[in-house]
Amino acid sequence: AQSVTQLDSQVPVFEEAPVELRCNYSSSVSVYLFWYVQYPNQGLQLLLKYLSGSTLVKGINGFEAEFNKSQTSFHLRKPSVHISDTAEYFCAAQPPFSGGYNKLIFGAGTRLAVHP
Amino acid sequence: DAGVTQSPTHLIKTRGQHVTLRCSPISGHKSVSWYQQVLGQGPQFIFQYYEKEERGRGNFPDRFSARQFPNYSSELNVNALLLGDSALYLCASTQTGTPETQYFGPGTRLLVL
Repeated sequence: AQSVTQLDSQVPVFEEAPVELRCNYSSSVSVYLFWYVQYPNQGLQLLLKYLSGSTLVKGINGFEAEFNKSQTSFHLRKPSVHISDTAEYFCAAQPPFSGGYNKLIFGAGTRLAVHP
Repeated sequence: DAGVTQSPTHLIKTRGQHVTLRCSPISGHKSVSWYQQVLGQGPQFIFQYYEKEERGRGNFPDRFSARQFPNYSSELNVNALLLGDSALYLCASTQTGTPETQYFGPGTRLLVL
């Protein structure tokens, strides 16, 4: 069965410092990969996605992620974080259309806490 | 354009009751998926509907059911509620049933006492 592992449950960081949130997936076939952000008491907002092509993907709010097929990783990075980036971040994988439907498989989430 | 909308925003029920949650997809989107997010965990897939037909179901008991209407809105029904059903229920929509970006609504927070 496919799974997504977010290696850090919490990441504390100071404002304006760089940050990396780690994500690994297990799949024997190609997958689509996503990062979503969830602010307190809200739904999920898409940060970026990798479907195919360039392995470096740029998203909203200055975030980017790099797809590494050999390491089955899709780590999220930001060179300089702001207080407003404090939120829960979810990595998700979606297998190609098969079996007649598609679904997102989420990791457990990483809580990013940005301190002044 | 309006995004995915869900109602109600919050709900409190007691064990054994049933609940109906509602979702309206983005205009032009024909597929709706439902996810359950228990506190402290990532969302778990419950159902996907496309063109009013169930296309997929996650590992949830038969107490969970859903349907999609001709206007592509959807209802999630849960019968015989258990304490463990307390969660944030998220609805997501896509244009078609094929793999593409899913757009999420704000969710309905259900508390079962």
